[in-house]
Amino acid sequence: ETGVTQSPTHLIKTRGQQVTLRCSSQSGHNTVSWYQQALGQGPQFIFQYYREEENGRGNFPPRFSGLQFPNYSSELNVNALELDDSALYLCASRTGLQETQYFGPGTRLLVL
Amino acid sequence: GENVEQHPSTLSVQEGDSAVIKCTYSDSASNYFPWYKQELGKGPQLIIDIRSNVGEKKDQRIAVTLNKTAKHFSLHITETQPEDSAVYFCAASKNNAGNMLTFGGGTRLMVKP
Repeated sequence: ETGVTQSPTHLIKTRGQQVTLRCSSQSGHNTVSWYQQALGQGPQFIFQYYREEENGRGNFPPRFSGLQFPNYSSELNVNALELDDSALYLCASRTGLQETQYFGPGTRLLVL
Repeated sequence: GENVEQHPSTLSVQEGDSAVIKCTYSDSASNYFPWYKQELGKGPQLIIDIRSNVGEKKDQRIAVTLNKTAKHFSLHITETQPEDSAVYFCAASKNNAGNMLTFGGGTRLMVKP
């Protein structure tokens, strides 16, 4: 086990709604990244947080936002949901000095 | 930005045979190359990784090779077992990009008993 947990495991929303996904990292892992994995594809980098500040972003619009908290938990928020947002959302954590990222089990989001 | 291509997309082998999955990357500055195994309903699990200052790394039945000149790296699994059946992803990253991982499209490995 990686020690990274995510909630909820599954979620169904309708187009236009907002959603918040949660991740809890291992103690000491001060860097968290979020990835979107569409069905049958590899994960795509959304953004990364280091010590509660965003320090890297992939090709995702501003309606994807995040927060990181001092207790090694983090959130991914998506506003104005679109059908294409349906995917598995993964968080991955590591210490700032490591390259190895440890993934959680993911949250499967379905937008209808 | 970085682009990672992975082949084949599906691979079927007989139990006990070897399996090889190949990836190419585009950014010569990439210096870290992990491989992940993803089982149904689970997140990716790191199985082995290699850094650009090393050409080969082995861990029991799993090995990874890296050719920096050609910008490709490969995963080798020997003596495959049914529990090796999963989707495998290669990825690449570089330190000055905050270690953002760029993933390949995945290979579905099926090991037939």
